[in-house]
Amino acid sequence: GAVVSQHPSWVICKSGTSVKIECRSLDFQATTMFWYRQFPKQSLMLMATSNEGSKATYEQGVEKDKFLINHASLTLSTLTVTSAHPEDSSFYICSAPWTVPQETQYFGPGTRLLVL
Amino acid sequence: AQSVAQPEDQVNVAEGNPLTVKCTYSVSGNPYLFWYVQYPNRGLQFLLKYITGDNLVKGSYGFEAEFNKSQTSFHLKKPSALVSDSALYFCAVSHTGTASKLTFGTGTRLQVTL
Repeated sequence: GAVVSQHPSWVICKSGTSVKIECRSLDFQATTMFWYRQFPKQSLMLMATSNEGSKATYEQGVEKDKFLINHASLTLSTLTVTSAHPEDSSFYICSAPWTVPQETQYFGPGTRLLVL
Repeated sequence: AQSVAQPEDQVNVAEGNPLTVKCTYSVSGNPYLFWYVQYPNRGLQFLLKYITGDNLVKGSYGFEAEFNKSQTSFHLKKPSALVSDSALYFCAVSHTGTASKLTFGTGTRLQVTL
């Protein structure tokens, strides 16, 4: 089946630093990937749509200068949290649509970010 | 705008008993409806989807869901629960297709006990 990986799975950083999270489709090509954010005991909130070869589309209220998205290739999208602050601490999840074994979206395992 | 409601934060059921996890949706046009399950420290796993056709959709691990247009519901069901079904379940909707962005419900934690 379709596999999506994320790296790192865990990251702890100091306030003010930048953190890069990678999302890879391992066995398929993804022209589009989605980035979500999940707070404890809450739902997934879509942050942005990552498009290969073009700019990302951000949801209302998401700061595009803070959450930089780069879809460098058909198998890799990166989310960079710039000048991270404690309120950015969260669980970040990416997904990519594919058709095998089912036509649906496939999710990465998530990256937990803790900003001290 | 599209939205999903999962009215129950938690559902408790004994192993062997049937389970239902509720979901209602709001979307303009025809809905694309999904159920995903999230286990601790793991990504969301696809269970099943409704696009069109039969209102009763069968999915992975013995789960099924019934699409009810008049009630705008898409409840997840399983005839006989297992302890291993204990997890966080999310209902999601898209109004433009399976490759489009999803709007998720708040999730329902299913606890199956012996």
